[in-house]
Amino acid sequence: ETGVTQTPRHLVMGMTNKKSLKCEQHLGHNAMYWYKQSAKKPLELMFVYSLEERVENNSVPSRFSPECPNSSHLFLHLHTLQPEDSALYLCASSHTGQYTGELFFGEGSRLTVL
Amino acid sequence: KQEVTQIPAALSVPEGENLVLNCSFTDSAIYNLQWFRQDPGKGLTSLLLIQSSQREQTSGRLNASLDKSSGRSTLYIAASQPGDSATYLCAAPRDNQGGKLIFGQGTELSVKP
Repeated sequence: ETGVTQTPRHLVMGMTNKKSLKCEQHLGHNAMYWYKQSAKKPLELMFVYSLEERVENNSVPSRFSPECPNSSHLFLHLHTLQPEDSALYLCASSHTGQYTGELFFGEGSRLTVL
Repeated sequence: KQEVTQIPAALSVPEGENLVLNCSFTDSAIYNLQWFRQDPGKGLTSLLLIQSSQREQTSGRLNASLDKSSGRSTLYIAASQPGDSATYLCAAPRDNQGGKLIFGQGTELSVKP
């Protein structure tokens, strides 16, 4: 396994369901990120974890709950979502504290909320 | 506050043509600028990262330049191929923590055989 891996690649859920997205990075990075890509909109930063500590939450609704158990794994727990939450959710990783650092993305999880 | 803009939103060219994609940013105190490629329904693939101290970076048929004074970056693709068809995104860090990127809307490139 190399790079950043996301599972599942596709997810369909009802508004009352609870599901989780998983991200794993094999690059030795210590910062991980969740981005959201909605149709016709630029990518939006949702959460930032640096050294396993959440350092940023960009006004994301509480129905999205991130978890970072270690520097290689990142989860996004989903509950009582709305149809407008349907989007491509992208995980990324980099070296923390390095503004010169390159960001690497996973393939994304395509979420559809019915 | 950094803002990133990409024009045009879509571009169609015949195979073999050399082309330039444009990216503009508002804050000239930029740390770096990264170009990505995104295929339909897929994640982002990093193409080139230009540091603020650099003027350009090259990888194969791709060349990216950075002009901080004018707030512009360009991605030059030489001898375009149908396989280059994708959406190209540029992004700049919001602050000195590199992973917090501000993205442009992207340019959707179509290279016709």
